[in-house]
Amino acid sequence: QKEVEQDPGPLSVPEGAIVSLNCTYSNSAFQYFMWYRQYSRKGPELLMYTYSSGNKEDGRFTAQVDKSSKYISLFIRDSQPSDSATYLCAMSYTGTASKLTFGTGTRLQVTL
Amino acid sequence: GAVVSQHPSWVICKSGTSVKIECRSLDFQATTMFWYRQFPKQSLMLMATSNEGSKATYEQGVEKDKFLINHASLTLSTLTVTSAHPEDSSFYICSARLGTGGASGANVLTFGAGSRLTVL
Repeated sequence: QKEVEQDPGPLSVPEGAIVSLNCTYSNSAFQYFMWYRQYSRKGPELLMYTYSSGNKEDGRFTAQVDKSSKYISLFIRDSQPSDSATYLCAMSYTGTASKLTFGTGTRLQVTL
Repeated sequence: GAVVSQHPSWVICKSGTSVKIECRSLDFQATTMFWYRQFPKQSLMLMATSNEGSKATYEQGVEKDKFLINHASLTLSTLTVTSAHPEDSSFYICSARLGTGGASGANVLTFGAGSRLTVL
């Protein structure tokens, strides 16, 4: 079993829809939870991160962490064609020596 | 916000030559940088951790003599692919830590735009 599981998609939604992207994990020691957006042939762009648990909102994006269920989510409201990309979740422990563990990424396509 | 600049974004070279990729932290100092490799439609694979003023730490299975890493200053790390072969063709991405601790994002990484290497 992988430490971080993420559905690879592809996920296709119409413009304006609410998108829900999710990851599950097995290691309860993870404390940092990140979401990255990666366009084709580009490096990952940090969208949001959460330290420990709870929710965080930034514009159209909301990140949620449920540590009891070992489940994290990224919601995108009013999705736009420009949101079409691969979304990677990543996690790490505390301690500066901790490395990131990535999900495989979910490919999202927002159609007109 | 913290920006990591990577150069070149795209390089083509002949088999047997060496290629150097630069990674710079703009407006912040990065004592530690990370080099990743990504194959098409796959997630990122950590190759090595680059530490300013000391030797890099390589992940298991990564050839340190093939992938030379130098972190000579607090804002620059370089990856040199030596004697490149077609199987080294890939997308190489560097990254640096965003913060220094706790909620400031010590273990959150910001990435460069990546360098696509094609070895003929």
